[in-house]
Amino acid sequence: EVQLVESGGGLVQPGGSLRLSCAASGFIFNNYWMTWVRQAPGKGLEWVANIRQDGGEIYYLDSVKGRFTVSRDNAKKSLYLQMNSLRVDDTAVFFCARIGLPSVHHDAFDIWGQGTMVTVSS
Amino acid sequence: DIQMTQSPSTLSAFVGDRVTITCRASQSISTWLAWYQQKPGKAPKLLIYKASNLESGVPSRFSGSGSGTEFTLTISSLQPDDFATYYCQQYSWYPWTFGQGSKVEIK
Repeated sequence: EVQLVESGGGLVQPGGSLRLSCAASGFIFNNYWMTWVRQAPGKGLEWVANIRQDGGEIYYLDSVKGRFTVSRDNAKKSLYLQMNSLRVDDTAVFFCARIGLPSVHHDAFDIWGQGTMVTVSS
Repeated sequence: DIQMTQSPSTLSAFVGDRVTITCRASQSISTWLAWYQQKPGKAPKLLIYKASNLESGVPSRFSGSGSGTEFTLTISSLQPDDFATYYCQQYSWYPWTFGQGSKVEIK
């Protein structure tokens, strides 16, 4: 079964750090770009970052640039999001998702994890 | 940044109704647009990619159309399982952006 499972969320104080993980199974992880998307409570979806198959090309939302770092370990079939200098407005459910192959899904997000909640509060 | 504006934000409809949601981009995105369905407490689910391509396993009552700056998602006959929030997303230009969502409610 194709699956993504996030972990690492929790409660952190403003200015703190957290590292999210996303474990992939059921597909050839290193064939795919991957992405992080977040959703603040009661709000819409917001794209956060993309990372290429080899980690050599990365894109970030401006508001997280310099604070968040996306990375991957293809041997472990895992995606990560290191979040530093967290702010109250970073509070959200964070989803990892697979970016579909250009020849198939033309970069749409075809597989999603269940999400992990990050709460930034004092 | 490209702004994606969905209308309506909320829609009340009966089972069996034909429902149309519109998504407008602030500049041309060709057909680099996807539609997702999200139910409360769940992850989004891909319905349509590249504006008009139906994802495998998605019922044929869902369809997408449009190009450039104006796009539509149509549900030909609303079913009980379709009550959810729908998001469009452009993946033409970074930062990739979503519409604010359209909630389909039971009338």
